[in-house]
Amino acid sequence: EAEVAQSPRYKITEKSQAVAFWCDPISGHATLYWYRQILGQGPELLVQFQDESVVDDSQLPKDRFSAERLKGVDSTLKIQPAELGDSAMYLCASSYVRFQGDTEAFFGQGTRLTVV
Amino acid sequence: GQNIDQPTEMTATEGAIVQINCTYQTSGFNGLFWYQQHAGEAPTFLSYNVLDGLEEKGRFSSFLSRSKGYSYLLLKELQMKDSASYLCAVRDFGGNTGKLIFGQGTTLQVKP
Repeated sequence: EAEVAQSPRYKITEKSQAVAFWCDPISGHATLYWYRQILGQGPELLVQFQDESVVDDSQLPKDRFSAERLKGVDSTLKIQPAELGDSAMYLCASSYVRFQGDTEAFFGQGTRLTVV
Repeated sequence: GQNIDQPTEMTATEGAIVQINCTYQTSGFNGLFWYQQHAGEAPTFLSYNVLDGLEEKGRFSSFLSRSKGYSYLLLKELQMKDSASYLCAVRDFGGNTGKLIFGQGTTLQVKP
């Protein structure tokens, strides 16, 4: 069964360091999402891609976060410098584009980031 | 902007029925999704509504009223494994972006 792949599963980094997360969506899924989820809260959309184009990054803290999906397939989310408040689960998801609207989003297992 | 509201916590008894409500405000509604998330795991898809009415899938049903900005997820014959967080999400085409926005989630505890 096709899955969204994310790596690493866990990451511990010191504050002010750079950290990067990788996501490979389900093959053929044009839409890719990055979410941040703090314990006890719902996922917060950071950035949404349609193929290689950003369609929404209104909640992405652009002074320290960046995201790219250069060939419209896999994607990288970077944080530089990391802050203590960035500790969270980072979830990647993808969905298939249909004429009447995207299908449901399928999630990867996430990357648990701890900033110390 | 978008606003999605769900109760924070609910408790129910094994074998019973529970209804989890979700209200939303969006500028360009294009579908409502329910997801289940067990602690430490990724969300998994449960149901999808884009037209008014009830969608049934086994022990789970979801209802949508677009005019009221309201949905509920109904879980029947509750089992202990149903203890999880239930997330309401709305696809919003306001601004032509088709964003998928999640509520804060409802933590359901099923007791014996």
